[in-house]
Amino acid sequence: ELKVEQNPLFLSMQEGKNYTIYCNYSTTSDRLYWYRQDPGKSLESLFVLLSNGAVKQEGRLMASLDTKARLSTLHITAAVHDLSATYFCAVVLPSSGSARQLTFGSGTQLTVLP
Amino acid sequence: DAGVTQSPTHLIKTRGQQVTLRCSPKSGHDTVSWYQQALGQGPQFIFQYYEEEERQRGNFPDRFSGHQFPNYSSELNVNALLLGDSALYLCASSLLGQAGTGNEQYFGPGTRLTVT
Repeated sequence: ELKVEQNPLFLSMQEGKNYTIYCNYSTTSDRLYWYRQDPGKSLESLFVLLSNGAVKQEGRLMASLDTKARLSTLHITAAVHDLSATYFCAVVLPSSGSARQLTFGSGTQLTVLP
Repeated sequence: DAGVTQSPTHLIKTRGQQVTLRCSPKSGHDTVSWYQQALGQGPQFIFQYYEEEERQRGNFPDRFSGHQFPNYSSELNVNALLLGDSALYLCASSLLGQAGTGNEQYFGPGTRLTVT
């Protein structure tokens, strides 16, 4: 059974600070996603990571993937209030083939304080 | 280009009742997946439909069933509702076998189901 663990679950940080969210998964997978969710809203896709060493950046967010360690990180640089949201990583279940069934972590609720 | 749409937005039902949720996929997509997201948790995969058939199923009881129509839209049915079925139900559409680096699954806005 594929397990996806995120930490921390809750994160409060000051504006302008840097921090990293971690996503560990238990079984080899060929792709990993990061999503953002605002309260009461759906999931907004941020990044898809396909290979070992992959790094993607968009604005103040940077995601990386280490498939050997089964670890992905989402790094936040110089946080601003607009980044306050819940962030999920999701891993494709290898046995799901082309169905690409996603297994999600529990999410990290990020609050950026002024 | 319309994205994934879901209806209704909100729904309140009583224990033991039945409910039907609807999803229209993004234009050009042929596959629909359903996820349940309980409050404070990550989404959990319910099942996926392709070519009007259920092709993959998560760990959900038979009370959860679905359907896909020839136009690729889909319904999720839940019978004998329990309080624990209260959640946000998300529909995601994709194109089967799509390769490449794109974000293959596009999520709809969700239906918030409350069971009282």
